[in-house]
Amino acid sequence: GAVVSQHPSRVICKSGTSVKIECRSLDFQATTMFWYRQFPKQSLMLMATSNEGSKATYEQGVEKDKFLINHASLTLSTLTVTSAHPEDSSFYICSASIPGLGSYEQYFGPGTRLTVT
Amino acid sequence: GESVGLHLPTLSVQEGDNSIINCAYSNSASDYFIWYKQESGKGPQFIIDIRSNMDKRQGQRVTVLLNKTVKHLSLQIAATQPGDSAVYFCAEAFQGGKLIFGQGTELSVKP
Repeated sequence: GAVVSQHPSRVICKSGTSVKIECRSLDFQATTMFWYRQFPKQSLMLMATSNEGSKATYEQGVEKDKFLINHASLTLSTLTVTSAHPEDSSFYICSASIPGLGSYEQYFGPGTRLTVT
Repeated sequence: GESVGLHLPTLSVQEGDNSIINCAYSNSASDYFIWYKQESGKGPQFIIDIRSNMDKRQGQRVTVLLNKTVKHLSLQIAATQPGDSAVYFCAEAFQGGKLIFGQGTELSVKP
């Protein structure tokens, strides 16, 4: 089956620094990737839709200058949390859709636990 | 509007019993609905899906029911096992792949 990886799985950073999270589709090409944020005991909240070679589409309330998304290739999308603060601590999950199998098919990465101290 | 999760409701069942997990959705324009299972510290895992023009779909040990009149979705798990313990989310799917997740339910299976 389709595999999506994320790196790192866990990261701790100091307040004010930036951290980059990578999302890779390992055995398929993904024209579209999605980034979600999940706080403890809560649901997944879609942050943005990332399309290869174009600007990401952000959901209402998500700051595009704070959460920088780059989808430079068909197998890699990155999320950079800039000037991180403790309230940005969360579980960040990406997913990728497979073109040609129906636009509803998505495969999720294992998530990245970000802790900002 | 969009479904937003606050705090997860919990469902506790005995091993071997059937489980029913419910979900209310908010958007009538949804084309597709999907149930995901999420274990602690992991990403969501696909369980079963159903198109909006269907009212029931069965998989292996799982059944999804859709009632569009009241915007309600349910997941039935037969003969629940300890390995089924996880958080279950329903999601509304739209063209282009966008997913809006429901609140989620934490299922706990007692051996």
